[in-house]
Amino acid sequence: QSVLTQPPSVSAAPGQEVTISCSGSSSNIGSNYVSWYRHLPGTAPKVVIYDTDKRPSGIPDRFSGSKSGASATLGITGLETGDEAHYYCGTWDSSPSAWVFGGGTKLTVL
Amino acid sequence: EAQLVESGGGLVQPGGSLRLSCTGSGFTFNFYNMNWVRQAPGKGLEWVAYISSDDRPRYNVDAVKGRFTISRDNERNSVYLQMDRLRGDDTAIYYCAKAGYCTGDTCYWEVFDLWGHGTMVTVSS
Repeated sequence: QSVLTQPPSVSAAPGQEVTISCSGSSSNIGSNYVSWYRHLPGTAPKVVIYDTDKRPSGIPDRFSGSKSGASATLGITGLETGDEAHYYCGTWDSSPSAWVFGGGTKLTVL
Repeated sequence: EAQLVESGGGLVQPGGSLRLSCTGSGFTFNFYNMNWVRQAPGKGLEWVAYISSDDRPRYNVDAVKGRFTISRDNERNSVYLQMDRLRGDDTAIYYCAKAGYCTGDTCYWEVFDLWGHGTMVTVSS
């Protein structure tokens, strides 16, 4: 069982928006920055949000991140079929000293 | 172009050992902290180990404490994962990941911004 809790799956139609939640505690999300990763089986994971709400170069502004207390959210607007993937949240946990990931959310664009 | 390439995976019997390697190129390797992350079949990502840019500190997930050792050789732009006393639940794809995204004059350290494509480790008799 993962330290960070994500819904196993979300789905929406092309063009719509979706949010993926990530729930943690005061020792991880509550006190550290959150990053989000997109992963397709057999490929290298790719960061889509870092520092809780920043997009790396090359990630479209359809992707956004936010945090409130010990929970973080990834938002994706204008969904495209190419957005289908597993999405993972991640952050440092101060107690114990360890990086933690959420269990992952499978995004389906119907 | 920055990249990470893992090697050393394979089939090993329970109780056996394996050493994974990851070589970086296209970036200043000795400036960045490095990690190993794994994904067991049908499961999500699990962080395994961290090593600072200058070798200390190092951290491991509890499941591998006392069995896995992370190390690095900045002269060879490489990070390693020595895996001993392997068990069936260590079966996974093992990814090497660089920690730190630098843009302009600012670096953000709590992010894995570059990943390799992974190397498969299968522990089975």
